[in-house]
Amino acid sequence: DVKVTQSSRYLVKRTGEKVFLECVQDMDHENMFWYRQDPGLGLRLIYFSYDVKMKEKGDIPEGYSVSREKKERFSLILESASTNQTSMYLCASRGLAGPSYEQYFGPGTRLTVT
Amino acid sequence: SQQGEEDPQALSIQEGENATMNCSYKTSINNLQWYRQNSGRGLVHLILIRSNEREKHSGRLRVTLDTSKKSSSLLITASRAADTASYFCATDAAGTASKLTFGTGTRLQVTL
Repeated sequence: DVKVTQSSRYLVKRTGEKVFLECVQDMDHENMFWYRQDPGLGLRLIYFSYDVKMKEKGDIPEGYSVSREKKERFSLILESASTNQTSMYLCASRGLAGPSYEQYFGPGTRLTVT
Repeated sequence: SQQGEEDPQALSIQEGENATMNCSYKTSINNLQWYRQNSGRGLVHLILIRSNEREKHSGRLRVTLDTSKKSSSLLITASRAADTASYFCATDAAGTASKLTFGTGTRLQVTL
């Protein structure tokens, strides 16, 4: 059974803290993604990675960075958390083509920044 | 940027009725996918339709695609209370590298 796991379901951090959100997939997928989801705005892409050590900005990269040192792990970093980064964060992975063309999502991390 | 826009934003029906959700998009696509999200959880893939297909079925799901109108619809037949969830369309735009763009979603409520 394919699986994408995220390090925390709920997280509460203070303004200015550095925050790490971890995502691990066990499907040997090349592509991995970080989204944030806010009411009325749907899913917005923050960053994605199509290979180890490769990354590309999505639609809303400001205030975030990412790291992909190993194929199975993709980390989202909030360098200095702010209250407007309170959101649901969703990680996903996807293969190159064919049967693995769909995206598999993790359960999400609900981050609150106070 | 939001490629897909779902309509309606919210839909409430009774068990046994059919539910139809629509998605419009802006640019040429390779394929369009529909996902489901139960409250507070991750998204689950439902069905994919390629740009050269017009209709696809999977169980109680029927998806249509009209590339001339840049629109798609998802029909859930004989709905059940367990179908209560949010549904999102996602487009795989031509020329992009493995990147899906999601719409804002339709929240479906199925009551007994």
